[in-house]
Amino acid sequence: EDQVTQSPEALRLQEGESSSLNCSYTVSGLRGLFWYRQDPGKGPEFLFTLYSAGEEKEKERLKATLTKKESFLHITAPKPEDSATYLCAVRNAGSARQLTFGSGTQLTVLP
Amino acid sequence: DAGVTQSPTHLIKTRGQQVTLRCSPKSGHDTVSWYQQALGQGPQFIFQYYEEEERQRGNFPDRFSGHQFPNYSSELNVNALLLGDSALYLCASSLRTGAAEQYFGPGTRLTVT
Repeated sequence: EDQVTQSPEALRLQEGESSSLNCSYTVSGLRGLFWYRQDPGKGPEFLFTLYSAGEEKEKERLKATLTKKESFLHITAPKPEDSATYLCAVRNAGSARQLTFGSGTQLTVLP
Repeated sequence: DAGVTQSPTHLIKTRGQQVTLRCSPKSGHDTVSWYQQALGQGPQFIFQYYEEEERQRGNFPDRFSGHQFPNYSSELNVNALLLGDSALYLCASSLRTGAAEQYFGPGTRLTVT
């Protein structure tokens, strides 16, 4: 059974204070690791897909990386508008695009 | 380009009642997946539809059922509602082939009293 564990559960940063969120996973044949951002009461917003170890993707202040056991979401010089819950999900080789999600990291960036 | 839409936004039902939630996928997408998200948790997969058939199902009882229409829109039905069914119900659309990304709608907040 696929498992996704995200840490920390919550993170408070000062504006401009860079940090990283962790996503550890066990999956039978990874067919994609996905990062989403979710604002309170809204649906998840797609950020990145990573497929193989060593792959990196960037978007504004966010950079996602992937190893064989975990993924990191690096946030450089965050702003208050980056405050949200960040979700990680995996898709395995046997699924018809079913995503298995972690519980998320709630990020708060203080001005 | 319209994104994924869901209706209604909020819904309050009584234990034992039945509910129907609706979803229209992103333009060009042919596959719809439904997820349940409890407060403070990540979304949990309920089932996926393409070509008007249920293709994969998560660990949910058969009180949860669905339908996909020829225009790719979809419905989620839940019978005999329980208090534990209170959650945010999310619809995600994607392409059956090609890119694997799923795009989510805003969700329907269901409260069972």
